[in-house]
Amino acid sequence: SAVISQKPSRDICQRGTSLTIQCQVDSQVTMMFWYRQQPGQSLTLIATANQGSEATYESGFVIDKFPISRPNLTFSTLTVSNMSPEDSSIYLCSSRQGAYTEAFFGQGTRLTVV
Amino acid sequence: SQQGEEDPQALSIQEGENATMNCSYKTSINNLQWYRQNSGRGLVHLILIRSNEREKHSGRLRVTLDTSKKSSSLLITASRAADTASYFCATDFYNQGGKLIFGQGTELSVKP
Repeated sequence: SAVISQKPSRDICQRGTSLTIQCQVDSQVTMMFWYRQQPGQSLTLIATANQGSEATYESGFVIDKFPISRPNLTFSTLTVSNMSPEDSSIYLCSSRQGAYTEAFFGQGTRLTVV
Repeated sequence: SQQGEEDPQALSIQEGENATMNCSYKTSINNLQWYRQNSGRGLVHLILIRSNEREKHSGRLRVTLDTSKKSSSLLITASRAADTASYFCATDFYNQGGKLIFGQGTELSVKP
């Protein structure tokens, strides 16, 4: 199984600012994903982080708001830009060695926007 | 929406009792995975069951899959207070680039 380190674990940010969340996996992985979990809700996929190319975004999520980088097979970042209180959520990084395998998750970043 | 449905949304039991959670989905899957989340933290992977499997066990956990009914269940036997958490099913559809689609989750409370 993969061990995923995600930081920061939590942050309180002012509206209009941006926060970058880092995700480090302890081994090379094929796939990395970013999810959002709004208060009391389930997980919603934001995007697939593609190594060496632009991320693939799900409907309702755009690159200008959630830019993602994946410079190598073990690291990815998600930026939440121009934040508003509606962005207050838990953001989770996930990795898989391939489709149809187990997915593993970081501990999440609890973001509060004031 | 492809999102799975889980029931019950919330379940409260006494320690030592069994807890059963159900998950339904709409289209064919390659596998279905169950996860646990404690107090809004990260997700812990519990079990992956493939579409050609009917039942899997891991310790006090038992997962069943009925592809004809497009449903799965998670049974926790002899529950403990430490089992208190939210439980999510996630479906892994074919040709979706590795994306998992999560159900709404069941919030389990085990009272000592």
